[in-house]
Amino acid sequence: EDKVVQSPLSLVVHEGDTVTLNCSYEVTNFRSLLWYKQEKKAPTFLFMLTSSGIEKKSGRLSSILDKKELFSILNITATQTGDSAVYLCAVEGNTPLVFGKGTRLSVIA
Amino acid sequence: SAVISQKPSRDICQRGTSLTIQCQVDSQVTMMFWYRQQPGQSLTLIATANQGSEATYESGFVIDKFPISRPNLTFSTLTVSNMSPEDSSIYLCSVEEWSLQETQYFGPGTRLLVL
Repeated sequence: EDKVVQSPLSLVVHEGDTVTLNCSYEVTNFRSLLWYKQEKKAPTFLFMLTSSGIEKKSGRLSSILDKKELFSILNITATQTGDSAVYLCAVEGNTPLVFGKGTRLSVIA
Repeated sequence: SAVISQKPSRDICQRGTSLTIQCQVDSQVTMMFWYRQQPGQSLTLIATANQGSEATYESGFVIDKFPISRPNLTFSTLTVSNMSPEDSSIYLCSVEEWSLQETQYFGPGTRLLVL
C-alpha cells in the first residue's frame, strides 16, 4: 500500500529559527513529490521534485529529494510568523496522489 | 483519522463525455471538499459538498460543469461534464475532522485524461 509519512506532526519555533520538515514515502512507480503550504482550504503549491539530489529554492524555502532513501526535506530559514501553516507532502505514483498527514508549524514572535 | 477511498483511480475519456468520481469515507464527516490538481499548480478548491443541499462552488466553477452530490455524511460524487482536454487533471476528495484541532485529509485522487 502506498504511503507517505511526515514528521514531525507539529512544531513550534521562534522567529528567525531554521526548521526542517521531513517526508518519507513508499509508493509504486514514483513520478514526483510535491510540497504544499496550507493556510486555508486550498493548499498552495511550493515545489515539485522528480530528481534526486537537486535542490529547489524559493526565497527562504528549499527542498531536496533522495530517491534512494525515499525521502524529502523542506527547509525554511529565518522563519517568520507568516510561515505558520500546515505543510503537506504528497507523492504521485500508481496511486494518483498520496498525502501525508502534514506538519503543523507554528512560528511565534 | 478518516480513511478516504475514491473511484475510479484513473480513467481515459473522450471529449464531450462525462465522468462521475465517487468518494467514500469510513466515518461520518461534516465537511467534504473536491479539489483539482493540475501539474505544477496549487491544489484548486472546486467546491464544498454539503449534505442535503446544493454544493458551494468556488469562483470559476459552476454546477453545470461540476455537479456534486452528497446524499449522506460518508459519501459524495463529483461529475466532470462535457469534458475537454483542459479537464485532464487529478481530482481529489478531502474531508475535515475536528479532534484536538482542525485536520484535513485527502483521498488518493482520480487521475483523469481527456483525449
